[in-house]
Amino acid sequence: QVQLVQSGAEVKKPGASVKVSCEASGYTFTNYDINWVRQATGRGLEWVGWMNPNTGNTGYAQKVQGRVTITRNTSIRTAYMELSSLTSEDTAVYYCARGWASSSFYYAMDVWGQGTAVIVSS
Amino acid sequence: DIQMTQSPSSLSAAVGDRVTITCRASQNIGKYLNWYQQKAGKAPNLLIYAASTLQSGVPSRFSGSGSGTDFTLTITGLQPEDFAAYYCQQSYSTPRTFGQGTKVEVK
Repeated sequence: QVQLVQSGAEVKKPGASVKVSCEASGYTFTNYDINWVRQATGRGLEWVGWMNPNTGNTGYAQKVQGRVTITRNTSIRTAYMELSSLTSEDTAVYYCARGWASSSFYYAMDVWGQGTAVIVSS
Repeated sequence: DIQMTQSPSSLSAAVGDRVTITCRASQNIGKYLNWYQQKAGKAPNLLIYAASTLQSGVPSRFSGSGSGTDFTLTITGLQPEDFAAYYCQQSYSTPRTFGQGTKVEVK
């Protein structure tokens, strides 16, 4: 079945970097975008960025611009999100989500990974 | 950036109730509006896209309406499994911003 499986929880110190992976299965990886969304405990959803796995094109939220990089390895159908210069405000669950467009070009995130907890603590 | 404002932030309802959640965009987004449900400790789940189109497998008690700047999610006949948080999201442009969420709780 179509699914996204993410890497495990991470604990990092302030100033460090973290790299979270998202492995796709059950569909053609290069035919759909991958988005990254995060959620701090008790808070709402925050869009972080996206990537077109076919072209490698990316876009990022201004809040994390300059600190976030989304990449992919198409041979193993895996997307990555790397966030650097971590602070406590980056503590959150990070989700990858497949970006899908309907025949009328309406775009939504229709398949989600299980989430990866990133804890930033000294 | 397009700002999305949901109301209310939380509500209490009983099984069988009709529940309405509203979402307002800071500019005209046509029908580029999605609704997601998120249960505690789980990833979000797509309910509705293009403002009113039900995602495959979503029960028909969920419905969406609106266009432009004002949108509504309605649950007709609330079921026990519907107690959750609901988020709107605009897909008109990046950043693909979410509303702050509405938590539907047991009355």
